[in-house]
Amino acid sequence: EAQVTQNPRYLITVTGKKLTVTCSQNMNHEYMSWYRQDPGLGLRQIYYSMNVEVTDKGDVPEGYKVSRKEKRNFPLILESPSPNQTSLYFCASSLFGGQPNNQPQHFGDGTRLSIL
Amino acid sequence: RKEVEQDPGPFNVPEGATVAFNCTYSNSASQSFFWYRQDCRKEPKLLMSVYSSGNEDGRFTAQLNRASQYISLLIRDSKLSDSATYLCVVSLLMSNYQLIWGAGTKLIIKP
Repeated sequence: EAQVTQNPRYLITVTGKKLTVTCSQNMNHEYMSWYRQDPGLGLRQIYYSMNVEVTDKGDVPEGYKVSRKEKRNFPLILESPSPNQTSLYFCASSLFGGQPNNQPQHFGDGTRLSIL
Repeated sequence: RKEVEQDPGPFNVPEGATVAFNCTYSNSASQSFFWYRQDCRKEPKLLMSVYSSGNEDGRFTAQLNRASQYISLLIRDSKLSDSATYLCVVSLLMSNYQLIWGAGTKLIIKP
């Protein structure tokens, strides 16, 4: 089954404790992206990747890191989480970022992070 | 001003009615347009792309008005299962492949 898999689905942790949210897709998609969703603000892009070893900042990259060592995986790293990073996070992939970016995005189920 | 704006709603609509809502975008260089549907904070799912000439998919019709910089979504014969939040998405030409998301319009279909 074609899918985007995020783990964990839920995480409660404390300020400053490094954490990683994994994202994996089995569709051989080139483009992958991380979003956070907060009430009233919609989805905001954190980082995206056009292909292996190619990553770039989105609208809200501060406090986050990513890597794309393999095509299928795109982990999101919070080196020193803070309470303002409490949010619902989505990983997404599409066949090709392209220009114009007209490929449908396939989303994971979401990760609900609470930073205390 | 937000780059993509939507009325947050909620729109409370009786089953069987027709409902329409708009999404305005600020950048005239916007290139591609989509409507996504999101249920109860689950993952967004593509509902339909929006083409310049307008397009229809069953009970759903999407329109693009470049002159006034908005897209619209029309739902006919609304079903209870149409209750969801509808997200408008815009991609910009020469935007480094970013998609700009609206905050969504909440639709509640009542029996």
